[in-house]
Amino acid sequence: RKEVEQDPGPFNVPEGATVAFNCTYSNSASQSFFWYRQDCRKEPKLLMSVYSSGNEDGRFTAQLNRASQYISLLIRDSKLSDSATYLCVVDSNYQLIWGAGTKLIIKP
Amino acid sequence: SAVISQKPSRDICQRGTSLTIQCQVDSQVTMMFWYRQQPGQSLTLIATANQGSEATYESGFVIDKFPISRPNLTFSTLTVSNMSPEDSSIYLCSVRRMGNYGYTFGSGTRLTVV
Repeated sequence: RKEVEQDPGPFNVPEGATVAFNCTYSNSASQSFFWYRQDCRKEPKLLMSVYSSGNEDGRFTAQLNRASQYISLLIRDSKLSDSATYLCVVDSNYQLIWGAGTKLIIKP
Repeated sequence: SAVISQKPSRDICQRGTSLTIQCQVDSQVTMMFWYRQQPGQSLTLIATANQGSEATYESGFVIDKFPISRPNLTFSTLTVSNMSPEDSSIYLCSVRRMGNYGYTFGSGTRLTVV
């Protein structure tokens, strides 16, 4: 089993829809969690940290489920500009483990 | 958060040659990280560069192939030595943000070895 797993997609979603994807991790001692966005041929950019109580930033909601060892990202009212690859990252004592990413395509 | 300037942004190199990638950070940072990302793959950590000590390499990466310099708290270089087509990839440097705010990346170096 991979340390961090994501559905590679692609998720093809109509503009305005809500989309969610999960990321599972294997190390129960992991301490910090992040979602990154990577556009084609660009570097990853931090989208949001994921807090134990869940957190929201505009149209984006991130949640952590420690019991089941997964994090999730929900995007509401999706925009064409949300098309990208979304990478989840798990940090355990400064050891970063990256998921391979979920590709999201928003269609008009 | 820190701003990272990474150079070159891309290069096409002959096999057997070496390429040095530079990262300049606009603030002092203790650790800098060097990653490789092959097409369609996740990021793979090559090494962690600490100022004043040798870099710490991950399994599968060695200093002779990927020598790293870290002369001060704002600068680091990664050299890809004796390149082969298998080294074609994107190379990224990264620093940790203050607090629990993840990591910032340089814009990446897209390397093609022919």
